[in-house]
Amino acid sequence: AQTVTQSQPEMSVQEAETVTLSCTYDTSESDYYLFWYKQPPSRQMILVIRQEAYKQQNATENRFSVNFQKAAKSFSLKISDSQLGDAAMYFCAYYGSNDYKLSFGAGTTVTVRA
Amino acid sequence: DGGITQSPKYLFRKEGQNVTLSCEQNLNHDAMYWYRQDPGQGLRLIYYSQIVNDFQKGDIAEGYSVSREKKESFPLTVTSAQKNPTAFYLCASSIWGQGYNEQFFGPGTRLTVL
Repeated sequence: AQTVTQSQPEMSVQEAETVTLSCTYDTSESDYYLFWYKQPPSRQMILVIRQEAYKQQNATENRFSVNFQKAAKSFSLKISDSQLGDAAMYFCAYYGSNDYKLSFGAGTTVTVRA
Repeated sequence: DGGITQSPKYLFRKEGQNVTLSCEQNLNHDAMYWYRQDPGQGLRLIYYSQIVNDFQKGDIAEGYSVSREKKESFPLTVTSAQKNPTAFYLCASSIWGQGYNEQFFGPGTRLTVL
């Protein structure tokens, strides 16, 4: 399995502020996909954003954006204008074209302060 | 409503007993997956199935068994051989084909072995 590392077990952010979550991965493949999933207290997994490795442009979904650094194998998530509903565990995940499976990082718990 | 259902939400079993977790989808997806989630470890793939009557081991298949007799159903049996069965179990499904196909997750089952 590919290795996905999230080095921040917990992050706290003030409402309306910005927080950045880090993710690094290890792969020898050139064709792959990266994702950020959100898991709120309900424990339902929700896809937040995805990035195809062949695309140089960073993906953006409303207040969520990524910084994809392919050479550095880094894939960070920025949450702008944080809202109380953003409080959740966030997982970085990797999908390789030869794997047919998702490999997840250990997760980062985000707390939003009112 | 199309989606994935898992039942029950909470399950308690005595040590040494086999237990079967249910996963049903009405999304007409070919592929189905079982993940295990432990604190601090993210999600790990147990088994996956690309087509009816066929399935493959994931990263942590020991102590688990599955069947895929119908396209809609992919039950997971946690056997007495699984040394640490207490965990949160997530089922997912996707279409199957080249490249990445988004996996949709069920609500999960929390298994506690007493």
